[in-house]
Amino acid sequence: SQQGEEDPQALSIQEGENATMNCSYKTSINNLQWYRQNSGRGLVHLILIRSNEREKHSGRLRVTLDTSKKSSSLLITASRAADTASYFCATDARGNKLTFGTGTQLKVEL
Amino acid sequence: DTGVSQDPRHKITKRGQNVTFRCDPISEHNRLYWYRQTLGQGPEFLTYFQNEAQLEKSRLLSDRFSAERPKGSFSTLEIQRTEQGDSAMYLCASSSGWTYYGYTFGSGTRLTVV
Repeated sequence: SQQGEEDPQALSIQEGENATMNCSYKTSINNLQWYRQNSGRGLVHLILIRSNEREKHSGRLRVTLDTSKKSSSLLITASRAADTASYFCATDARGNKLTFGTGTQLKVEL
Repeated sequence: DTGVSQDPRHKITKRGQNVTFRCDPISEHNRLYWYRQTLGQGPEFLTYFQNEAQLEKSRLLSDRFSAERPKGSFSTLEIQRTEQGDSAMYLCASSSGWTYYGYTFGSGTRLTVV
């Protein structure tokens, strides 16, 4: 079963713009992770934020976590055409497996 | 080490046939996971191993599904008497057990049951 949902389901922006996608989940967590998936391929780990952290940065990525609202957001700044992919949040509740959301399809147009 | 390898990349089979997929994880990783992903959905957990021990199985894993990880190295996922509803991408991932580093996924095996 899916732990939560990403919002929006699909997002189309112009190259150079910022992209923000949100994730909501249902149970308490140990950490939350974001993954990218190019069409028909496996998933690539992007960034992990622990439950006691509120914000984390990695290159053009910024992740926030609000455990009181059970939500997270992923911001991609200065997007590029190569960022076109599906993005999934995944929660780790007990340190033994990840539960994925439904994903956001991002399209970055030239 | 080039990452997690899955074989085959694609499999087309007739309904009722048995299929077996293989996953070779990153050699230093003691944890191995199987997920299933259907079109437009996120990956759904099937099962995971720590070394050779299968520690958890999802209720999605019916009696027709079996997974093994002999000697704690590669893993196989077998589906017996395939059904059209089994058509999906089957993803394998491995991790060191320190979940703060995330999982490394393979490219997946796409199964089509006709």
